[in-house]
Amino acid sequence: NAGVTQTPKFQVLKTGQSMTLQCAQDMNHNSMYWYRQDPGMGLRLIYYSASEGTTDKGEVPNGYNVSRLNKREFSLRLESAAPSQTSVYFCASSELGSGEQYFGPGTRLTVT
Amino acid sequence: AQSVTQLGSHVSVSEGALVLLRCNYSSSVPPYLFWYVQYPNQGLQLLLKYTSAATLVKGINGFEAEFKKSETSFHLTKPSAHMSDAAEYFCAVSPAGSARQLTFGSGTQLTVLP
Repeated sequence: NAGVTQTPKFQVLKTGQSMTLQCAQDMNHNSMYWYRQDPGMGLRLIYYSASEGTTDKGEVPNGYNVSRLNKREFSLRLESAAPSQTSVYFCASSELGSGEQYFGPGTRLTVT
Repeated sequence: AQSVTQLGSHVSVSEGALVLLRCNYSSSVPPYLFWYVQYPNQGLQLLLKYTSAATLVKGINGFEAEFKKSETSFHLTKPSAHMSDAAEYFCAVSPAGSARQLTFGSGTQLTVLP
């Protein structure tokens, strides 16, 4: 099993450009999450989807949008990238209520 | 509201020495508690979890953690460090029964010296 996969692995954007980060899981999990990781700040939740068809804001949603395309896929979109969005982005999935999240390998995004 | 504090952003130990990584939590409801490990350029991997069963929890790679309600702590230990344990470790908390609000600490970078 591939687990949680993310594309792309690396991306460089100019300020104002848009892009979509893709995430897919093959574990039949109901819940999916997007985090960003910045040095010294741990992981901060951007958006999550408790189940197919629902999405909710996390701690740091400003500047991002998400789409739960189906049970397997959960994408994160930056409409107008800013340097403050330079970070490593992780997607994760879990069974609803378990708390045990499975993480993808991450996308390293730089906005210049 | 819930939060996690990890004491010490960097910890160094000699190979074979005891590993102790500290985590204190704050939660208004009974929590679930987790330790995750992140190896360089990888995603996070679950080490162990406490979900209100036994207070001493054993995880992978010889790690264990003890839930102490009176001290609001969930410290991670391993009796003998190995070079392969060098990584960043994150403590996390969520309200019992919820997978939505997993709040992470800021992480502790563990260095193992030969």
